[in-house]
Amino acid sequence: GAVVSQHPSWVICKSGTSVKIECRSLDFQATTMFWYRQFPKQSLMLMATSNEGSKATYEQGVEKDKFLINHASLTLSTLTVTSAHPEDSSFYICSARDLTSGRDAGELFFGEGSRLTVL
Amino acid sequence: GQNIDQPTEMTATEGAIVQINCTYQTSGFNGLFWYQQHAGEAPTFLSYNVLDGLEEKGRFSSFLSRSKGYSYLLLKELQMKDSASYLCAVWDSNYQLIWGAGTKLIIKP
Repeated sequence: GAVVSQHPSWVICKSGTSVKIECRSLDFQATTMFWYRQFPKQSLMLMATSNEGSKATYEQGVEKDKFLINHASLTLSTLTVTSAHPEDSSFYICSARDLTSGRDAGELFFGEGSRLTVL
Repeated sequence: GQNIDQPTEMTATEGAIVQINCTYQTSGFNGLFWYQQHAGEAPTFLSYNVLDGLEEKGRFSSFLSRSKGYSYLLLKELQMKDSASYLCAVWDSNYQLIWGAGTKLIIKP
């Protein structure tokens, strides 16, 4: 299957700082990527849909000024958590569908996830 | 509203068979997915059903009944490495993916 890589896997930061998480599609081009957040023992919650070359689409209740998304190329989307606070501590996961290689069967391919801890 | 229900937790014995059920009520339907998620890791794709019936893939099989809004994931010859959460997700009419809360499967020796 297609490969999505996410970096960093773990990050610990102080309250008030900003953290950037990168999501890369390694062997396919992704015009759309999805950013999820998952709290312990809960399901995935879609935060936003990242669109290459245009603004991201945010889900209701997600602050777009706090969670900045940039999808500047067909293989890279970034999520920046600005002025992070302890309540932002969570597991952030990106995903994409492989629509360009002809292998798409509808499934999402996920990055490894990034565990953010804000002190 | 849109809703997906699956049991919170199940326990099974190594070598046995377990069936994880998923029921859904969504605005439209364009397919149902099962994903496996080990603790602390991202989900990985297991299966996709869009037509009624059983899809078999090795030790794992997935069944769908669209009229009943029901699916199950069947795991045979359970191995300790199958201990994980299993997530059911449905594409609604807008191809928005609706996720269940996941079923934590505990395998005992």
